[in-house]
Amino acid sequence: SQQGEEDPQALSIQEGENATMNCSYKTSINNLQWYRQNSGRGLVHLILIRSNEREKHSGRLRVTLDTSKKSSSLLITASRAADTASYFCATDKVGAQKLVFGQGTRLTINP
Amino acid sequence: DVKVTQSSRYLVKRTGEKVFLECVQDMDHENMFWYRQDPGLGLRLIYFSYDVKMKEKGDIPEGYSVSREKKERFSLILESASTNQTSMYLCASSPRRRNEQFFGPGTRLTVL
Repeated sequence: SQQGEEDPQALSIQEGENATMNCSYKTSINNLQWYRQNSGRGLVHLILIRSNEREKHSGRLRVTLDTSKKSSSLLITASRAADTASYFCATDKVGAQKLVFGQGTRLTINP
Repeated sequence: DVKVTQSSRYLVKRTGEKVFLECVQDMDHENMFWYRQDPGLGLRLIYFSYDVKMKEKGDIPEGYSVSREKKERFSLILESASTNQTSMYLCASSPRRRNEQFFGPGTRLTVL
């Protein structure tokens, strides 16, 4: 079963606006990660947040984690055309080393 | 610059053929993974390996096997390709004590 599920499945915004994507998961985790995938390419790691952290920043990215609700959000501020991609959350269950990926959010930034 | 490479970007094979997908990483990572990615299904783990000559089944191992004879190389084998194995195949690696995975560019396999 899917551990991470992203919401929305697709998001289209204007350049310069902020984009928010959400991820929900089912079991206890060690950490949660976000990845980006440009069309037809491999995934690129963006940011990792540990289960004892609530918020993390990296450049224009802001990730929050609420372990009580088993959810995370990824905020991209001041979006650019180059941010157009699919974004995936990935979780590792406590006691397991492998990651489980959600189905992703397809983000389109319109110029 | 760290790198994961896959032997082919695009591959077309016929039903029943034996198919080898190769993945090489230059980061001295212990862990390596093979996923397939299909529309609406996201990434699904086929097999992974924690060390040379070690392998573990993922969520969808049926119809696949793997080989890891050297630390830097992880091969995915389709013993007898079928049309339902048409997919994007992604290889990834990670160091032993970290979960962050580094991905190759993917191989889009079409089985006719």
